[in-house]
Amino acid sequence: DTAVSQTPKYLVTQMGNDKSIKCEQNLGHDTMYWYKQDSKKFLKIMFSYNNKELIINETVPNRFSPKSPDKAHLNLHINSLELGDSAVYFCASSQRDSGAFFGQGTRLTVV
Amino acid sequence: GESVGLHLPTLSVQEGDNSIINCAYSNSASDYFIWYKQESGKGPQFIIDIRSNMDKRQGQRVTVLLNKTVKHLSLQIAATQPGDSAVYFCAVFYNQGGKLIFGQGTELSVKP
Repeated sequence: DTAVSQTPKYLVTQMGNDKSIKCEQNLGHDTMYWYKQDSKKFLKIMFSYNNKELIINETVPNRFSPKSPDKAHLNLHINSLELGDSAVYFCASSQRDSGAFFGQGTRLTVV
Repeated sequence: GESVGLHLPTLSVQEGDNSIINCAYSNSASDYFIWYKQESGKGPQFIIDIRSNMDKRQGQRVTVLLNKTVKHLSLQIAATQPGDSAVYFCAVFYNQGGKLIFGQGTELSVKP
């Protein structure tokens, strides 16, 4: 069983579209994250949720809206996609102040 | 402030040699540090962690050293193998705000 799973793995879409990426963890963790990895491999934290509550929003444009229906899920919705949104997006989960486990990533390409 | 830096973007070693990857952090209040390995097309994978009450921790072929005085940590890989080729990240947990901040990554290449 995959501990942190995100779908889709690949996403190609046109500028201006709205898309969602889903994430689920079966580890029973309280905290979930979204990270963005650019072409230089830099991993930047976007959001962090703890027990469905938003605790970190790292100056991400408000076109990005995370939603956590329960503590096992953290979805990412992106409105009005731009070329600069192209990246690999990783979902992760952890128990607070312990190591995070990552999903396999969603490669988003905006054309 | 919060920043995590890495001393070298790339590292090339011969198979069988030991590898050392270094990382510097800025916030002296950090108390939890993690090393991750990321292979091509995959998510970062937890390797080893260390808390600030320790200065050394060993795993299977890997050792993490923490020097809180100079805010530096390193990952040592013994007898490096081709399967160790990947990008390695240090990550620092900042209690203030409760977030895990990653360094820039070092790409390790192992020559046969």
